[in-house]
Amino acid sequence: QSALTQPASVSGSRGQSITISCAGTSSDVANYDLVSWYRQYPGEAPKLLIYEVNERPSGISTRFSGSKSGNSASLTISGLQAEDEALYYCCSYSGGSSWVFGGGTKVTVV
Amino acid sequence: QVQFVQSGAEVKKPGASVRVSCKASGYTFSHYAVHWVRQAPGQRLEWMGWINAGNGHTTFLHKFQGRITITRDTSATTAYMDLSSLTSEDTAVYYCARASIVGTTGFDYWGQGTLVTVSS
Repeated sequence: QSALTQPASVSGSRGQSITISCAGTSSDVANYDLVSWYRQYPGEAPKLLIYEVNERPSGISTRFSGSKSGNSASLTISGLQAEDEALYYCCSYSGGSSWVFGGGTKVTVV
Repeated sequence: QVQFVQSGAEVKKPGASVRVSCKASGYTFSHYAVHWVRQAPGQRLEWMGWINAGNGHTTFLHKFQGRITITRDTSATTAYMDLSSLTSEDTAVYYCARASIVGTTGFDYWGQGTLVTVSS
């Protein structure tokens, strides 16, 4: 089971929009609408931002949105803010009651 | 409110075993799953396995088969993860996280993490 592929880093200016990609395979991302996204600050536990590809939990800003096309999922952060600087992980169900995370993307706000 | 409190940091020697506990509160424990995820220093999140807190059924990532046991005590609303034959590569922060049984909710609540250090 290989990790999902994410870019190591993405940067953007305050107020801009950025998109983080998450490439999987026909065994995971393409086959199930069970992609979720997490934000992790240094020294903290991850926090759920998006589940079921594009659903936001209660309390999560509408600046975060998710999508999926084929083998790849994406997280878009609009109106980039300084507090968005963090690590972001995608995760997908991969069949057989198993799950797989991406490699993580460091977002920098310049 | 939903909360998970994990056991404290551990230092183990190679070849030893470790048990990490995860005490849940604020919801009906048996209606959800508890997953275990680890993160080695500076590395990505790695999903390890999960337990259906209702019926006790478990699934593990293949690489941990034979070394990992996940159990739960419904009366204590606590899940446990045991990992044996530890090596330095098992040094990581171990997290428990909640999800719906069918996995549709994502991992919506997480414990604070437990650092396990394996060193001779």
